[in-house]
Amino acid sequence: GAGVSQSPSNKVTEKGKDVELRCDPISGHTALYWYRQRLGQGLEFLIYFQGNSAPDKSGLPSDRFSAERTGESVSTLTIQRTQQEDSAVYLCASSLALHPEQFFGPGTRLTVL
Amino acid sequence: GQNIDQPTEMTATEGAIVQINCTYQTSGFNGLFWYQQHAGEAPTFLSYNVLDGLEEKGRFSSFLSRSKGYSYLLLKELQMKDSASYLCAVREDRRAGYALNFGKGTSLLVTP
Repeated sequence: GAGVSQSPSNKVTEKGKDVELRCDPISGHTALYWYRQRLGQGLEFLIYFQGNSAPDKSGLPSDRFSAERTGESVSTLTIQRTQQEDSAVYLCASSLALHPEQFFGPGTRLTVL
Repeated sequence: GQNIDQPTEMTATEGAIVQINCTYQTSGFNGLFWYQQHAGEAPTFLSYNVLDGLEEKGRFSSFLSRSKGYSYLLLKELQMKDSASYLCAVREDRRAGYALNFGKGTSLLVTP
């Protein structure tokens, strides 16, 4: 079946602009995660959604970052007033509820000029 | 917070065995994971340890010692396609679900 998909695959934006990244999880996966991977760094957890429960936002680096998910489907990660340090690959992963194996999407490479 | 340390790079020969170590410090350990990431691709799940001991899955095995804050990934009968980055990740009690904290990864190069 189809895996996790993300769009766009690449995004170049100017400092100060807002960007919106999209993730389509695997059908039936109630858990959804966003991570960020800066060049030369490990993946950083950003936010976690599980069904209709309140999301775990403990990894969001600032109030410029927000994410939404409607039910158990698509999620969007929004970064407002982008800064150069926001440049990274943003990865989305999904899994079955309370299952350890996460399936990652191909990522969105964000470049802030 | 926590620290996850693993070697930056390793090189091994095709057909050989390689062990990639990972040490971690965390306030509330709740599982250790290994992922494989080929250049430019998404990470893929390899293994999960929550209890001490060795978990074997084909050519790959993963070991955990919670008292030592230590894990290793063992790759046997290395193949050229095993050249990739290997990511050690820890799950903490303070995070919901299986939200993970990752190390920087170990870049493994398999040579003929």
